[in-house]
Amino acid sequence: EAQVTQNPRYLITVTGKKLTVTCSQNMNHEYMSWYRQDPGLGLRQIYYSMNVEVTDKGDVPEGYKVSRKEKRNFPLILESPSPNQTSLYFCASSTTSGSYNEQFFGPGTRLTVL
Amino acid sequence: GEDVEQSLFLSVREGDSSVINCTYTDSSSTYLYWYKQEPGAGLQLLTYIFSNMDMKQDQRLTVLLNKKDKHLSLRIADTQTGDSAIYFCAERDTGRRALTFGSGTRLQVQP
Repeated sequence: EAQVTQNPRYLITVTGKKLTVTCSQNMNHEYMSWYRQDPGLGLRQIYYSMNVEVTDKGDVPEGYKVSRKEKRNFPLILESPSPNQTSLYFCASSTTSGSYNEQFFGPGTRLTVL
Repeated sequence: GEDVEQSLFLSVREGDSSVINCTYTDSSSTYLYWYKQEPGAGLQLLTYIFSNMDMKQDQRLTVLLNKKDKHLSLRIADTQTGDSAIYFCAERDTGRRALTFGSGTRLQVQP
């Protein structure tokens, strides 16, 4: 089954404790992206990657890091989480060829930083 | 930068039509999308429209695009309780392929 998976689905942590949220897709997509969803703000892009070893900042990159060492994986790293990073995080992927390039979303990771 | 706006809430009765509206600012958008988010789930693409189209119909869904006014709407005919969800309008930045989302419209369908 074609899908984007994220782990963990739920995480409660404390300020300053490094964490990684994993994202993996099995559709051989070149493009991957991380979004955060906050009430009343929709989804905002954090980082994106057009292909392996190619990453770039989105609209809200502060406090986050990413890496793209393999095509299927795109982990999101919070080196020193803060309470304002409490949010719902979505990973997405798409092909870069073709036309409308549907983005496929993972199920989301709900992060709480105390 | 790009901005996409939607009303936050819509309540309809089962069997009625629902119309969700969206306005956007980026006149260079080539594709506009409607995504559906059910409780506890990720986003799922419902439909999309290319910017040179005025209308697209897909079963119970009708998308209308007024490019002059930068207005997009989604009409759901014969709305069912299973249509209760949050609906996001989005436009795509052709450069970095990011989707700029509206804040989402929560559709509540009353039996």
